[in-house]
Amino acid sequence: DIQMTQSPSTLSASVGDRVTITCRASQSISNWLAWYQQKPGKAPNLLIYKTSSLESGVPTRFSGSGSGTAFTLTISSLQPDDSATYYCQQYNSYPLTFGGGTKVEIK
Amino acid sequence: EVQLVESGGGLVQPGGSLRLSCAASGFTFNSYWMSWVRQAPGKGLEWVANIKEDGSEKYYVDSVKGRFTISRDNTKNLLSLQMNSLRAEDTAVYYCARMAYNFWSGYGIWGQGTLLTVSS
Repeated sequence: DIQMTQSPSTLSASVGDRVTITCRASQSISNWLAWYQQKPGKAPNLLIYKTSSLESGVPTRFSGSGSGTAFTLTISSLQPDDSATYYCQQYNSYPLTFGGGTKVEIK
Repeated sequence: EVQLVESGGGLVQPGGSLRLSCAASGFTFNSYWMSWVRQAPGKGLEWVANIKEDGSEKYYVDSVKGRFTISRDNTKNLLSLQMNSLRAEDTAVYYCARMAYNFWSGYGIWGQGTLLTVSS
């Protein structure tokens, strides 16, 4: 099974800050990686697919990069509405696996 | 409007069975792989099962193999998850999910989730 490791597990940043979340795969997943945002009590919301493709309707301050085993989600200018938990997911091979999540808090 | 609506969750005793359903609308159901993803209380997301457009291929996470069965009825636009031999660790919100596009693209469509509690 491919293990997905996210870091940090929590982060606190100020409005306007540039924020980066890292996701590492235990083996190469090419570019088959997605990022989700989840707010309490809600279903996840797809932000990025295929490593760097921005899902329709998602603000352009979100971007993704990487390949192989190392990936990042960047929020270029953190907004109050970005307070949430973020998950990466690989869909290169079964079982599909998610990272453990990164909780983003606004200072 | 593209929509997924789950139903069937509830309280079940360990060892019991339950069937979850997901009603799809607003898209061509038989053109998409469909999935179940779960989230235990206060925990992260866990993929559970996938089924191909025509139902000919099914995949499961190891922890549910032999106990859960994913199925679909393309005539009724309905996805199901039959869960047997339930354990406390199966307690979670179960989401029905669909890829954003009809290629592998991450889950762009989610239901609201249905809560399964396994407890005596």
